[in-house]
Amino acid sequence: GAVVSQHPSRVICKSGTSVKIECRSLDFQATTMFWYRQFPKQSLMLMATSNEGSKATYEQGVEKDKFLINHASLTLSTLTVTSAHPEDSSFYICSANHLQQGAKSPLHFGNGTRLTVT
Amino acid sequence: QKEVEQNSGPLSVPEGAIASLNCTYSDRGSQSFFWYRQYSGKSPELIMSIYSNGDKEDGRFTAQLNKASQYVSLLIRDSQPSDSATYLCAVNNNNQGGKLIFGQGTELSVKP
Repeated sequence: GAVVSQHPSRVICKSGTSVKIECRSLDFQATTMFWYRQFPKQSLMLMATSNEGSKATYEQGVEKDKFLINHASLTLSTLTVTSAHPEDSSFYICSANHLQQGAKSPLHFGNGTRLTVT
Repeated sequence: QKEVEQNSGPLSVPEGAIASLNCTYSDRGSQSFFWYRQYSGKSPELIMSIYSNGDKEDGRFTAQLNKASQYVSLLIRDSQPSDSATYLCAVNNNNQGGKLIFGQGTELSVKP
């Protein structure tokens, strides 16, 4: 149980274009999902908390107009990287915890999306 | 001071030995603690969770928590080459709705 599906797993785009990444909880509901970014040889950095039915909460230093987050249902959150630049190339990972298990439960991660901006 | 700190390594141990991974955290309000394993190019997978002081064992893995010292560790007994990965310590202050703060990870290499 507690499977999180992320799509696409890998995407290459040209500088200036936008890319949408989807994160779905397949067998549980998640009012909150989290988006992380990981650069090579570095740890996961939280970008934002995606809240179902309301605005996302962004971490300090993350541009909300560049990284658009939509959490339209209890099982789907999307991250759109707008006007992508090479420095946005990174590994993006979404995660969620089970609604009924609460905030104390561990996060379940999607398989990640490797974004390369050329 | 970083919120969650780990020795980045690499930590190298021979096959069959015990690998000891350490983590300290700064927020005394932290209540949930997790160890994740991450293979190169993959997303993290949960190894252990621990919520109260003391030891918690699961197979070859033992997590240890000392809230007074703000310290959590992971022991891997009978280390195998397949255990070679980066181990991430993650901490959750339950008042933050499940948000996890990760350490920088410790790279473990188990030599055959």
